[in-house]
Amino acid sequence: NAGVTQTPKFRILKIGQSMTLQCTQDMNHNYMYWYRQDPGMGLKLIYYSVGAGITDKGEVPNGYNVSRSTTEDFPLRLELAAPSQTSVYFCASSFLDPGLEAFFGQGTRLTVV
Amino acid sequence: QKEVEQNSGPLSVPEGAIASLNCTYSDRGSQSFFWYRQYSGKSPELIMFIYSNGDKEDGRFTAQLNKASQYVSLLIRDSQPSDSATYLCAVNERRDNYGQNFVFGPGTRLSVLP
Repeated sequence: NAGVTQTPKFRILKIGQSMTLQCTQDMNHNYMYWYRQDPGMGLKLIYYSVGAGITDKGEVPNGYNVSRSTTEDFPLRLELAAPSQTSVYFCASSFLDPGLEAFFGQGTRLTVV
Repeated sequence: QKEVEQNSGPLSVPEGAIASLNCTYSDRGSQSFFWYRQYSGKSPELIMFIYSNGDKEDGRFTAQLNKASQYVSLLIRDSQPSDSATYLCAVNERRDNYGQNFVFGPGTRLSVLP
């Protein structure tokens, strides 16, 4: 039972490079989320999706893009990486019911130099 | 953006003591409240959730909710060194367009001293 799987676990990018963080869940969850967590801080929502083909911005969307072509996959695209995007990124998923918990992937530690 | 606030800590308690973690939230419409534990370098994992006013107990953990005061707390009885972690309070937020989001507080770092 894999749950939420993120790849890669670690990555170093140079300023201006681009990359895609992958996220896959096998729990048939409707909702998927991307959060970033800066040192000593809580989780900030970047983007979320309520189902295939439907995405919406969160609190800190600038510099990122997402797509959701299937229920299982929710990749996060970083275009023109900047040092301010150095962070730990977590993908999460949940069912539609607002009372149910979010399950998290293992996280991707990204450093932009 | 709705706010969730927590004392950042660190909160230090001796082994065997009760640890009390507090959280306040700004959105009166919030319905669901969650406590996640996050070990250093790891992802958050759910400890407890609570929907109704009052107390909810699960083993050594008790969540307390007071919607009138917009306050939720987590008590950890008989604290163990393995409880040393950051505890994140999360609140369900209804979005304008669709669905929901989880708004997280900054977390309280707990250290249980042997």
